[in-house]
Amino acid sequence: GDSVTQMEGPVTLSEEAFLTINCTYTATGYPSLFWYVQYPGEGLQLLLKATKADDKGSNKGFEATYRKETTSFHLEKGSVQVSDSAVYFCALYTGNQFYFGTGTSLTVIP
Amino acid sequence: ETGVTQSPTHLIKTRGQQVTLRCSSQSGHNTVSWYQQALGQGPQFIFQYYREEENGRGNFPPRFSGLQFPNYSSELNVNALELDDSALYLCASSLDERSADTQYFGPGTRLTVL
Repeated sequence: GDSVTQMEGPVTLSEEAFLTINCTYTATGYPSLFWYVQYPGEGLQLLLKATKADDKGSNKGFEATYRKETTSFHLEKGSVQVSDSAVYFCALYTGNQFYFGTGTSLTVIP
Repeated sequence: ETGVTQSPTHLIKTRGQQVTLRCSSQSGHNTVSWYQQALGQGPQFIFQYYREEENGRGNFPPRFSGLQFPNYSSELNVNALELDDSALYLCASSLDERSADTQYFGPGTRLTVL
């Protein structure tokens, strides 16, 4: 069945470090791919999305590219800030429902 | 534009009881989805409603049921509560079923079953 596997955390980085959070998926058809973020004490928010192969989603300095050949959608940021500390969820949408990964907790220390 | 709200924030029930959770969607949003998020896990899709009809369902038993009302509010009902039903329950609204991939989440209701 359809599913998402994402890198387990927690991840701790120093401010201005490079971030990669890996995400791979299994799906029939052509899903849309998403990264959601959950800041402490807040609800899930859409961070970025890509709807077809080779699309790049970007927002707030974060990027992810839809790679059909490797079934991946890795999240990257060149220089993280303390305010990026949150839980990040990779997700796919098949046209009638979402499938979420288990989440990766990121802590950025000054 | 108002956001998605949920009530109550926290709830404690005992095994076998029934519970109703409420969600108020963003104004104009005809589609609402409900998710269960166990501790340390990602959200799992329970079901989706579009214009007051169930429009898709995940792998949850029939004791999980829902209602959607014309005023953009909705309910999740869970009967015969089990200990494993303890989780954060999230609702998310989207404009319509064609844009269901753009959804806005509420803050959730934390349900504890003892």
